[in-house]
Amino acid sequence: EVQLVESGGGLVQPGRSLRLSCAASGFTFDDYVMHWVRQAPGKGLEWVSGISWNSKSIGYADSVKGRFTISRDNAKNSLYLQMNSLRAEDTALYYCAKGTVTKYFDYWGQGALVSVSA
Amino acid sequence: QSALTQPASVSGSPGQSITISCTGTSSDVGSYNLVSWYQHFPGKAPKLIIYDVSKRPSGVSDRFSGSKSGNTASLTISGLQAEDEADYYCCSYAGSSIYFFGTGTEVTVL
Repeated sequence: EVQLVESGGGLVQPGRSLRLSCAASGFTFDDYVMHWVRQAPGKGLEWVSGISWNSKSIGYADSVKGRFTISRDNAKNSLYLQMNSLRAEDTALYYCAKGTVTKYFDYWGQGALVSVSA
Repeated sequence: QSALTQPASVSGSPGQSITISCTGTSSDVGSYNLVSWYQHFPGKAPKLIIYDVSKRPSGVSDRFSGSKSGNTASLTISGLQAEDEADYYCCSYAGSSIYFFGTGTEVTVL
């Protein structure tokens, strides 16, 4: 059974940093693209970032480019999102999602809540 | 970069069919047959219901179907049921490792 478990969320002040983790199990982690998707309160889903199996192809939404860094450790079956210079508008539930060859997300975690507030 | 456009809400009576549109551009929806749809209940993980424009994952009801014409993709729910009341999102690949979600549609069963 595929499982994706996010951790590392919390309350942080504007301008500070936070690192999210996603522990994956139930599939061959280093065969797949992995993604972060977020949902701000009262808003829709927003794709944040994705990383290929070998970390050579990475994409970011314009809203986080230059502030967030996605990475993975295939030996640990883990995905990460380093979030720097956090803003109030980054407040959201952050989902880890497993990608596929034909560019969709077939499994999702339950999410990690990030709140950015003074 | 911009989100794909969906109607904010769509409603229908039980047994009816409804269609949710998802309008992008020639750089995303129009360029790739890589549109997917997700059903989302607040507080829960989104669920994949359509991929590659019109394919259904195993276990998803055949009441859900997808299509695409030009820069617009569509999700049709046939035989609407109370359990279909949820938020629905489209998503398209846009090249260069970039993806866009739609603005989301709230489906209400009257």
